[in-house]
Amino acid sequence: QVQLQESGPGLVKPSGTLSLTCAVSGDSISGSDWWTWVRQSPGKGLEWIGEIHHYASSNSNYNPSLKSRVTMSVDRSKNQSSLKLTSVTAADTAVYYCVRGGSYSLGFWGQGTLVTVSS
Amino acid sequence: EIVLTQSPGTLSLSPGERATLSCRASQGVSSTYLAWYQQKPGQAPRLLIYGASNRATGIPDRFSGSRSGTDFTLTISRLEPEDFAVYYCQQYHSSPPMYTFGQGTKLDIK
Repeated sequence: QVQLQESGPGLVKPSGTLSLTCAVSGDSISGSDWWTWVRQSPGKGLEWIGEIHHYASSNSNYNPSLKSRVTMSVDRSKNQSSLKLTSVTAADTAVYYCVRGGSYSLGFWGQGTLVTVSS
Repeated sequence: EIVLTQSPGTLSLSPGERATLSCRASQGVSSTYLAWYQQKPGQAPRLLIYGASNRATGIPDRFSGSRSGTDFTLTISRLEPEDFAVYYCQQYHSSPPMYTFGQGTKLDIK
């Protein structure tokens, strides 16, 4: 059974960098899927951050509204993906989900991790 | 940018009733690119329908999806207590590649 586990600091200072890791078990990150991050601000809807394919870290797509601040990567040796979001503000406070995507839908979600941006 | 508008914002129904949730796209969306998700409080979203009308693995057949022009519909034929949740539609845009979501419909118990 596939499991996706997000991890990283739950508190980040304004102007700092948010860094999260998604550990994948029960599946290989080197398959045909796209490894995706989605976030949800408290009490709000869902926002797609971006996706990456294991084939090459250059094979990634980001939300245009976040593109200048986002970097995603894949570590095949650790079977995990990572998200970095720079220059964070309070507006980046959200639950961040790691998702296995493909075929134009998002089929399997991690439980999510809350990241709060505050001094 | 394609905008998805879901209606109603809140739908109050009783168990056993039929629920009809709408998702309207601001411009043409391929059925292949339209999906529906269910989210319960404190949980991650769960994929229900992909390709506008295909049920994901393990999803009961009381859930169905359909399309008419730029309008997509999620129907729950007979509501079970566990169906009361928030539902989101999602579309995939190929150029540039990105996903967008509707704002959600909350289905609550009447």
